[in-house]
Order: sequence, then C-alpha cells, then structure tokens
Amino acid sequence: DAGITQSPRHKVTETGTPVTLRCHQTENHRYMYWYRQDPGHGLRLIHYSYGVKDTDKGEVSDGYSVSRSKTEDFLLTLESATSSQTSVYFCAISEWAGESPLHFGNGTRLTVT
Amino acid sequence: DAKTTQPNSMESNEEEPVHLPCNHSTISGTDYIHWYRQLPSQGPEYVIHGLTSNVNNRMASLAIAEDRKSSTLILHRATLRDAAVYYCILRDVGSGSARQLTFGSGTQLTVLP
Repeated sequence: DAGITQSPRHKVTETGTPVTLRCHQTENHRYMYWYRQDPGHGLRLIHYSYGVKDTDKGEVSDGYSVSRSKTEDFLLTLESATSSQTSVYFCAISEWAGESPLHFGNGTRLTVT
Repeated sequence: DAKTTQPNSMESNEEEPVHLPCNHSTISGTDYIHWYRQLPSQGPEYVIHGLTSNVNNRMASLAIAEDRKSSTLILHRATLRDAAVYYCILRDVGSGSARQLTFGSGTQLTVLP
C-alpha cells in the first residue's frame, strides 16, 4: 500500500472555527490532491499540488486553502468551518499527472456542528 | 472536460465474470482511462488504466473500444470482496493541467453468493 497517512481520522468541530487536515506521504510523489466525498456527489476535487509551494484550485475550492511546504506534507485548511463542509475528506497522491495512478489515504471524517 | 457515464448499479453472481461498462464519447487523444474501486469505509483503490490497447493486470482487464469512446472493466471471476463502487475516470496529460476530474457516482457492484 502507498504510504499515505491522513490525520486526524475523525474530527468534530463547531461552526466558525478553523480546521486543518494533514496528509503525509512517504512515496516522494510530486502530485498531491484533496477530495471531498458526499452522498450523491461522488468524489470532488478541492485543491491539488504539483510540487512544493505549487498548488491550484479544483472544482470545489471555495472556503478551503492549502499549503505544501515540503514534498511529503499537504495541508488542507478550513478557515472558518461551516456545516456544509461536513464531509469525508480524502488525500491522494500520484507520481505524475495523467498516466500515473492515484493512491488514496483512508480519509478524514469531519463533522461541523 | 471530458466526462464518463456509468450505470448506477450492477449485480453479478459469485465466481462469474463481470463486465462493467463506461462511456466517454468526448474523450481526447491524450486522455488515459482509469478505473478505481471503493470498498465501504475506505478510500478509492486503483484498479487499472490504459490509453488505447487492452490491458491486463492481476486484478482485472480493461477492454478499450477501437474509437476509444467506451471501455469495459472485466473482473474474470467475481468474489464477494469485489463488491464495491467502481469509478471510470479520464486523466489528461496533453493540456498540461494536472487537474483530476470529478469521479462521479460510479457503479455499485453487488456480488451475490
């Protein structure tokens, strides 16, 4: 299995509080991605990174920011959490862009009350 | 962006072959066809990918139509552990964008004992 660790695995937070989710990889892959998964919507891309300090927006980036200061770590921050951000968040990595497979972490279940 | 269309659900009997279809009529010449599956409470798992030719690996086979507008994931002998949601997606290398397309809702495969 690809070395991907997401933390925390579960989190409950209140509306308006900041939240940071961490994705850590040991594969030295260039690309890292954050997805969210909600019933009826499949997996939707939030942000992705194509290198250290190189990031770009995905389909549902509003309300989220990311940072990648090291190859192995990709952080997702909810500046002010809202109930609509209650979801399961998955981190993925890939060595290259189109051809390389994505490898996913086990997810973080976030509940915003 | 090119999109894929899959049936919402399929059933198969245990130890029989399963053919999971995917339509991608707007595929471009630089789109790779990827398949992933997601078991309950887990992150998606890479299954197989291809560009033009049929592909085989230990998990499955991928049959790609000559015009590349459709593909079929083949599980040669379904087991109960193959019950999952299967996603067909396209990943483009030609445009320079590393953006990963939305996964969509996929096909829920039920394997009957």
